[in-house]
Amino acid sequence: QQQVKQSPQSLIVQKGGISIINCAYENTAFDYFPWYQQFPGKGPALLIAIRPDVSEKKEGRFTISFNKSAKQFSLHIMDSQPGDSATYFCAASNQAGTALIFGKGTTLSVSS
Amino acid sequence: EAGVVQSPRYKIIEKKQPVAFWCNPISGHNTLYWYLQNLGQGPELLIRYENEEAVDDSQLPKDRFSAERLKGVDSTLKIQPAELGDSAVYLCASSLDTGVKQFFGPGTRLTVL
Repeated sequence: QQQVKQSPQSLIVQKGGISIINCAYENTAFDYFPWYQQFPGKGPALLIAIRPDVSEKKEGRFTISFNKSAKQFSLHIMDSQPGDSATYFCAASNQAGTALIFGKGTTLSVSS
Repeated sequence: EAGVVQSPRYKIIEKKQPVAFWCNPISGHNTLYWYLQNLGQGPELLIRYENEEAVDDSQLPKDRFSAERLKGVDSTLKIQPAELGDSAVYLCASSLDTGVKQFFGPGTRLTVL
């Protein structure tokens, strides 16, 4: 199956808190796992991505944790800010350049 | 570096009318994608081009949708005739060769009345 399952559907976090979004995949051929951020009226923008040869990747306040055996990966947003309020999508693909399979998205609201 | 350009940004049409969307990818990007994004959902692939060739159009409803990428640069996606269920955002993305780092345009929001 080509599904990518994402949770939660929505998330409310206090300013300065940690936002955590989870995804699970089924196809073991996937080997590229990006996270996209989308603001209303805009296209998705690549935030951070990971390949399965590492278990964690950090870029600024954003960290991806990857568990190959469980076929799960998650996005952690540290010190969440109101400007992080957006919809976040996980996705998966294989290195052959096939299309990204997206999760259904998580709407994050960071309250000030 | 200019991003992916799409036009129009918004389109409202009556059902059964034709509609076309245009996309200009990032310069030098050989791979171009058209995605459909329904409200509250993630994007879903319609068609992928490598240069002029449509290499994956398995999800394109060919009875009413068509696409072309002449000269391997910009692309047009057409719907004829449009149905109420086609109301959605149509996203174009591009990537360098078959690289997986895809860059998205702002999308065209289609409303079919």
